[in-house]
Amino acid sequence: DGGITQSPKYLFRKEGQNVTLSCEQNLNHDAMYWYRQDPGQGLRLIYYSQIVNDFQKGDIAEGYSVSREKKESFPLTVTSAQKNPTAFYLCASSIDHEGWGTEAFFGQGTRLTVV
Amino acid sequence: QKEVEQNSGPLSVPEGAIASLNCTYSDRVSQSFFWYRQYSGKSPELIMSIYSNGDKEDGRFTAQLNKASQYVSLLIRDSQPSDSATYLCAVNMWGRGAQKLVFGQGTRLTINP
Repeated sequence: DGGITQSPKYLFRKEGQNVTLSCEQNLNHDAMYWYRQDPGQGLRLIYYSQIVNDFQKGDIAEGYSVSREKKESFPLTVTSAQKNPTAFYLCASSIDHEGWGTEAFFGQGTRLTVV
Repeated sequence: QKEVEQNSGPLSVPEGAIASLNCTYSDRVSQSFFWYRQYSGKSPELIMSIYSNGDKEDGRFTAQLNKASQYVSLLIRDSQPSDSATYLCAVNMWGRGAQKLVFGQGTRLTINP
């Protein structure tokens, strides 16, 4: 089946640890995105990537890092520098059409909790 | 000014009535606009996309776009209790040399039986 797979679904992190959230898509989409959602809030953009080996910071990139070594993969690392990482993390992908994105589709999300 | 703004609600509508959700955006050159529905604890799902000025209808949903006013709306006719969810407006914009998808804060909609 085609789609976007995020893993793990739930993740617990001790303070001071780095953790990596996985996002894989087999839709052959060009663009991929990472968002953070806090309870009762909208989606805030962390990082985005239009092509392999290139990515841009979103509105809340501090304390996070990404890589885009393959078209289908866009992992997000939450570093110890992120002071309040407990949140719901969502990965999405979309096709680029004449320089503008088309519909984006989401993975099931990863719920990260700091313990 | 936020790039994409929505009334956070909550918006309460009786069953069978029309629910109207609104969104404004800041980037005049944006070309792609989307509405997503998100149930509590789940990821957003796409319900409508619109690229041209005017109305686009799909079943009980109608998206309306006015680029001159930088305004997008979603109408839900014959509202059902299952429509109770948070509705997110999303707009494609140019960021740091690349195109990005920006979301509003969402409007929480409750349909009352």
